[in-house]
Amino acid sequence: AQSVSQHNHHVILSEAASLELGCNYSYGGTVNLFWYVQYPGQHLQLLLKYFSGDPLVKGIKGFEAEFIKSKFSFNLRKPSVQWSDTAEYFCAVIYTGGGNKLTFGTGTQLKVEL
Amino acid sequence: DADVTQTPRNRITKTGKRIMLECSQTKGHDRMYWYRQDPGLGLRLIYYSFDVKDINKGEISDGYSVSRQAQAKFSLSLESAIPNQTALYFCATHRGAKEKLFFGSGTQLSVL
Repeated sequence: AQSVSQHNHHVILSEAASLELGCNYSYGGTVNLFWYVQYPGQHLQLLLKYFSGDPLVKGIKGFEAEFIKSKFSFNLRKPSVQWSDTAEYFCAVIYTGGGNKLTFGTGTQLKVEL
Repeated sequence: DADVTQTPRNRITKTGKRIMLECSQTKGHDRMYWYRQDPGLGLRLIYYSFDVKDINKGEISDGYSVSRQAQAKFSLSLESAIPNQTALYFCATHRGAKEKLFFGSGTQLSVL
């Protein structure tokens, strides 16, 4: 079955620490990959996306993600987090050969402490 | 005006009642989705539609039905609401598989 896994459910970091959130997908075909963020009380916003080309993708607010096809992974990174990055982060995938529907992971709740 | 409008914003209902959640979009997109969000479970896909004549079940469609009345409108119905359908429901739309989703503000549904 097509699925998306986010292994870190809750992450707590201090300001200025580096961040890496894991995302793995289950399908070996062509995929489009996304990271969304949901700040408290708001709906989801797109951080970045990948569908082809350079596997290192840069997004908004200093976030980046690397697509590693051999590992079926699309991990989100940020070198130095800020308190304002406290939010829930969702990885999402479209399997272009499998219905083209957008499937989300279960989310990672990030808390950044001062 | 919002690109994606959901009504109502909040709804409290009783077990067994029929409920309809409505969604309309001004983006002119063909693709529309209904998700529910539960703590620790992320967003789970209920139904999706890629045009007016296209309706597809998502991963958790049991107990739900949808209607795509027009390109801009996609409504979700709970035929007989039950308490475990208490959740935050989101409608979303996008132009295509490489494009970002535009979300509505959500409908918080409580089934007592």
